[in-house]
Amino acid sequence: EAGVAQSPRYKIIEKRQSVAFWCNPISGHATLYWYQQILGQGPKLLIQFQNNGVVDDSQLPKDRFSAERLKGVDSTLKIQPAKLEDSAVYLCASSTGWTDGYGYTFGSGTRLTVV
Amino acid sequence: GENVEQHPSTLSVQEGDSAVIKCTYSDSASNYFPWYKQELGKGPQLIIDIRSNVGEKKDQRIAVTLNKTAKHFSLHITETQPEDSAVYFCAAKRPLYGQNFVFGPGTRLSVLP
Repeated sequence: EAGVAQSPRYKIIEKRQSVAFWCNPISGHATLYWYQQILGQGPKLLIQFQNNGVVDDSQLPKDRFSAERLKGVDSTLKIQPAKLEDSAVYLCASSTGWTDGYGYTFGSGTRLTVV
Repeated sequence: GENVEQHPSTLSVQEGDSAVIKCTYSDSASNYFPWYKQELGKGPQLIIDIRSNVGEKKDQRIAVTLNKTAKHFSLHITETQPEDSAVYFCAAKRPLYGQNFVFGPGTRLSVLP
């Protein structure tokens, strides 16, 4: 089966600019996650969707980050305006639902550099 | 909230030797513990997992052990090969949050030929 698709693979922007990332989950996966992975650290969850509803966004910096999952399939994550500390890899993952470990798959990520 | 610590941060072993990575977690209610392998430029890939009602699980050269009382779990890789070189992350799943994981900081494993 096709994996989790993310684009772009790389993005370089200046601080205070805006940027958007796109994720297409595995077909049929109801749950979608966005993680932020700063260099040398483990991934940190930003937001979790169940279909097109938000389950957990407690760690999303809502003053500058936003995410949506229209129609319960694709998702976009936006940063506006970007700060230097937003430089990281943004990983999207999807899973079939609430069952532990089943089908939980990560994409290859988007590497963001803010200069 | 849940906090996951992981040691060591880097580990070098000779090909054929064993490697052990240890993690501790803080929330005694956590009930699922996966291990992920991340190669350069790729997303994390699940290699093995264990649930809180199991003490040990093995899959070929990889095994995971869990001590619920001490709140720690370990990854064991035997007969290491150069292709095992990668960054390994442990994680804990917070109950009632679906598959919302808290990850450890990672261990960079280098297998020297």
